[in-house]
Amino acid sequence: ETGVTQSPTHLIKTRGQQVTLRCSSQSGHNTVSWYQQALGQGPQFIFQYYREEENGRGNFPPRFSGLQFPNYSSELNVNALELDDSALYLCASSKAGTSTDTQYFGPGTRLTVL
Amino acid sequence: QKEVEQDPGPLSVPEGAIVSLNCTYSNSAFQYFMWYRQYSRKGPELLMYTYSSGNKEDGRFTAQVDKSSKYISLFIRDSQPSDSATYLCAMSRSGGYQKVTFGTGTKLQVIP
Repeated sequence: ETGVTQSPTHLIKTRGQQVTLRCSSQSGHNTVSWYQQALGQGPQFIFQYYREEENGRGNFPPRFSGLQFPNYSSELNVNALELDDSALYLCASSKAGTSTDTQYFGPGTRLTVL
Repeated sequence: QKEVEQDPGPLSVPEGAIVSLNCTYSNSAFQYFMWYRQYSRKGPELLMYTYSSGNKEDGRFTAQVDKSSKYISLFIRDSQPSDSATYLCAMSRSGGYQKVTFGTGTKLQVIP
């Protein structure tokens, strides 16, 4: 098991609602990336945070937003939920500026939008 | 056409076989190449991380990158039932896991 934790494990929401997902990084890691993984697909990069700033964004609309806190934990917020937002949401932490090049994923939050 | 193409399988092999997993890609700007293993109901686990073309070996795993052909491979020697999982290739233009693009994953089953 990695040191990356995510909460909640599962979540059911209805269309139009808002959701906040949380991620706690591996100790010593200062960068967090969020991904969306639909069933049977590979993860899709949503965005990355480094030093509390967004450091790159994938092809996702602005209703997907995030935060990184001074302790490097992170939140993913999704507004105006749509049925297609149903997926596994993964966060992954890494350490910028090192040669170890190791990234650790959390177990994910399964979001169902009805 | 997707930027990264990966055969979804499933791929079934007997225990002890050499497994070959492959991906092709279309974006010549990709410089960093990764392979992940994902067990059911778990997050992906980074197996290999390589930069540019060449080979990299780690235990039973060997990653190969051929940028001229836009083709990457992962070889697993002496495959074990515990290797049964989905294998995801991934790549990016810059380091630091920025804007990583994943393949759809190949489901591997190693039969005892």
